[in-house]
Amino acid sequence: DIQMTQSPSSLSASVGDRVTITCRASQGIRTDLGWYQQKPGKAPKRLISAAYSLQSGVPSRFSGSGSGTEFSLTISSLQPEDFATYYCLQHNTYPWTFGQGTKVEVK
Amino acid sequence: EMQLVQSGAEVKKPGESLRISCKASGYTSTTYWIAWVRQMPGKGLEWMGMIYPGDSDTRYSPSFQGQVIISADKSSNTAYLQWNSLRASDTAIYYCMRHTGDLWGQGALVTVSS
Repeated sequence: DIQMTQSPSSLSASVGDRVTITCRASQGIRTDLGWYQQKPGKAPKRLISAAYSLQSGVPSRFSGSGSGTEFSLTISSLQPEDFATYYCLQHNTYPWTFGQGTKVEVK
Repeated sequence: EMQLVQSGAEVKKPGESLRISCKASGYTSTTYWIAWVRQMPGKGLEWMGMIYPGDSDTRYSPSFQGQVIISADKSSNTAYLQWNSLRASDTAIYYCMRHTGDLWGQGALVTVSS
């Protein structure tokens, strides 16, 4: 299985902060990676596909980068509605695998 | 409107069987895989497996192979997740997801308790 190591597992930030979350794949996955946001009691929502393609309707403060084994999700200016848990998901090789998640909390 | 609608919450006893469903509408369901994702209480997301409703081709995560059965009925645009003998450790929310990741069901809470 491809292991997705996501870091940090949690972070505290303030509104307006720039936040970066990373995912490292145990082997190369090209750009076969998506980023998801999950709020309590809700289904996950896709933010980014193919490592850097912003989902329609997702604010432009979200961006993704990377290829191969190193990926990142950046929120350029954190907004109150962005406090949530974020996951990466690789879909290059079966079984697909999620990162462990990053909880973004209010500082 | 494209959507995946899951069956409701279930409360079962250990050893009982269960099948939950995920009905697709608003798109041609036979051309997209449907994946199942587990979220245990307070934990992260786990990819369980997926099925192509067009021909029922199925892929399982080794962690779930033999523990669950994924099936589909293309005539009703519905995918299923089934257990033959539930355990307390199966207590979780189960989501279905279109393989593109852009469409998710609302989740189904399965509680297994004696």
